[in-house]
Amino acid sequence: EPEVTQTPSHQVTQMGQEVILRCVPISNHLYFYWYRQILGQKVEFLVSFYNNEISEKSEIFDDQFSVERPDGSNFTLKIRSTKLEDSAMYFCASSPALIGDTQYFGPGTRLTVL
Amino acid sequence: KNEVEQSPQNLTAQEGEFITINCSYSVGISALHWLQQHPGGGIVSLFMLSSGKKKHGRLIATINIHEKHSSLHITASHPRDSAVYICAVVQGAQKLVFGQGTRLTINP
Repeated sequence: EPEVTQTPSHQVTQMGQEVILRCVPISNHLYFYWYRQILGQKVEFLVSFYNNEISEKSEIFDDQFSVERPDGSNFTLKIRSTKLEDSAMYFCASSPALIGDTQYFGPGTRLTVL
Repeated sequence: KNEVEQSPQNLTAQEGEFITINCSYSVGISALHWLQQHPGGGIVSLFMLSSGKKKHGRLIATINIHEKHSSLHITASHPRDSAVYICAVVQGAQKLVFGQGTRLTINP
């Protein structure tokens, strides 16, 4: 069964460094998402992406964040200058269509900012 | 006030018991998801519904749009059902707003 994959599974970085989290969505899906979950807290929406552009973003998704689909398969989340409070689990998800379709989640990347 | 509230926050039961987890929301939605998060952190979608009732195996999800309430039921619960169950509502076209989750523990 096709699945969403994410790399790396765990990323440790120093405050102020740039990180890129990578996701490979399910191949025939058209909508892509990033979510984050700070330890012990609920999952939060960051951004959705369709047709090579952001379709919706939350207030969390400020200028430090960017997303890109650099080729036909990868979907990346870049954090330009990491802060301690960016430490969280980051989940990528994809869905075949918009409303009315299940979102399929990747296993997550645990980001630790020191 | 949270837009999505789940109850209970924690639930411990014995194997075989009938489980109900509730979700109330205060905003207009186009659909509602029930998700399962395993101890390792992975998230699996269980149901997406916008009206009525859906059943998959021992899991049943219902939603009452007028009362802004949904329930997830597990029949004949088993220790492998132990996980965090999350309700998330769809706002607008795509944005998922999550509840805080219900931690379910089923003892043998």
